[in-house]
Amino acid sequence: DTGVSQDPRHKITKRGQNVTFRCDPISEHNRLYWYRQTLGQGPEFLTYFQNEAQLEKSRLLSDRFSAERPKGSFSTLEIQRTEQGDSAMYLCASSLQGWDSPLHFGNGTRLTVT
Amino acid sequence: AQKVTQAQTEISVVEKEDVTLDCVYETRDTTYYLFWYKQPPSGELVFLIRRNSFDEQNEISGRYSWNFQKSTSSFNFTITASQVVDSAVYFCALMRGSNYKLTFGKGTLLTVNP
Repeated sequence: DTGVSQDPRHKITKRGQNVTFRCDPISEHNRLYWYRQTLGQGPEFLTYFQNEAQLEKSRLLSDRFSAERPKGSFSTLEIQRTEQGDSAMYLCASSLQGWDSPLHFGNGTRLTVT
Repeated sequence: AQKVTQAQTEISVVEKEDVTLDCVYETRDTTYYLFWYKQPPSGELVFLIRRNSFDEQNEISGRYSWNFQKSTSSFNFTITASQVVDSAVYFCALMRGSNYKLTFGKGTLLTVNP
């Protein structure tokens, strides 16, 4: 169990640029989640996948955000035309299927939009 | 709507003191799950415990214990004989029985001083 891996750890970008983050879940986990955490707040749900299917998206996920999990393994989260309000920590988590399976989180990608 | 309230924003104790972190939740569901996560300065959310709504039995794991009371919608977390390594932000979270989204509280920053 190597844990959930996220890349990059930090990203600084200028407003209006596009950014993409990657998440590699724990290998046997078929569920993958994206959360966003701003300073002083708890993480907020963005979206989740079961295998390659994106099953739910939060209203927080505007049209500028898109997430994919093409082969049911790693996932990418892309933000187009970044805005300063997008600055946050983006957390990825994975879990086994089943109500009693806890989410295991990665270290996150900290995005700063200048 | 679901809501998790962690009224204590920050707690500071001296090593070896006992400390209790409060968590109050709101949900209309009869089936739900409650979680505690620890977030050290490194940023990774570490899973500590999960309880389902049908199991009110308190749990002890080493220096950690949890008190789940449905009558008061509370799921409090106690650290006995605190240590400096316990310093972190602790999040309480709620998951509905019908989906996989975690609703987090705002977290409690615990500082254990030597």
